[in-house]
Amino acid sequence: DAKTTQPTSMDCAEGRAANLPCNHSTISGNEYVYWYRQIHSQGPQYIIHGLKNNETNEMASLIITEDRKSSTLILPHATLRDTAVYYCIVRVGGGTSYGKLTFGQGTILTVHP
Amino acid sequence: NAGVMQNPRHLVRRRGQEARLRCSPMKGHSHVYWYRQLPEEGLKFMVYLQKENIIDESGMPKERFSAEFPKEGPSILRIQQVVRGDSAAYFCASSPELRSPLHFGNGTRLTVT
Repeated sequence: DAKTTQPTSMDCAEGRAANLPCNHSTISGNEYVYWYRQIHSQGPQYIIHGLKNNETNEMASLIITEDRKSSTLILPHATLRDTAVYYCIVRVGGGTSYGKLTFGQGTILTVHP
Repeated sequence: NAGVMQNPRHLVRRRGQEARLRCSPMKGHSHVYWYRQLPEEGLKFMVYLQKENIIDESGMPKERFSAEFPKEGPSILRIQQVVRGDSAAYFCASSPELRSPLHFGNGTRLTVT
């Protein structure tokens, strides 16, 4: 799996947009970008994923650059409950290794009142 | 629709005992994955199973650890003769298909005394 690089920590004011960057410069053509988050003492929670187009769901938006070497997760209106560790993961497109998500250290997002 | 259910949430074992961790995947999910999170470390893939078959066990320690996902019933992660270094949070995830996002349970926290 391609290595990802994320900032160690970020702060965001409640109600503002949180923009979490991720670099994945060695991503291959068949690899997807996935985002998960882990709130303290809970299991990782799936947020969103994409291949090359921008994606949006009820939780967040994912913006992938045209060269696919980086992406940004956007939480449009952050709340205190969004405080968590956010993981950007590159996942192979198929094969038996598809279940092997490689979690890095992630970004600790702290949302302030 | 219930999420991935893991039990017990907390398990205490003395060195040398056996630990059995159970995971009931989400309804309709036939793919199960086990991950381990050691204290102050990231999540690490252990094993990927699909009903009655082990697909990828490249992350499993070579000794004392085994996993199964029988035709009926939950998936079981079994650790024989536990040692202090096995103390960790063990997370199970499931997906309906190989290319679907993984959905995680809230884990079993194993403490070896």
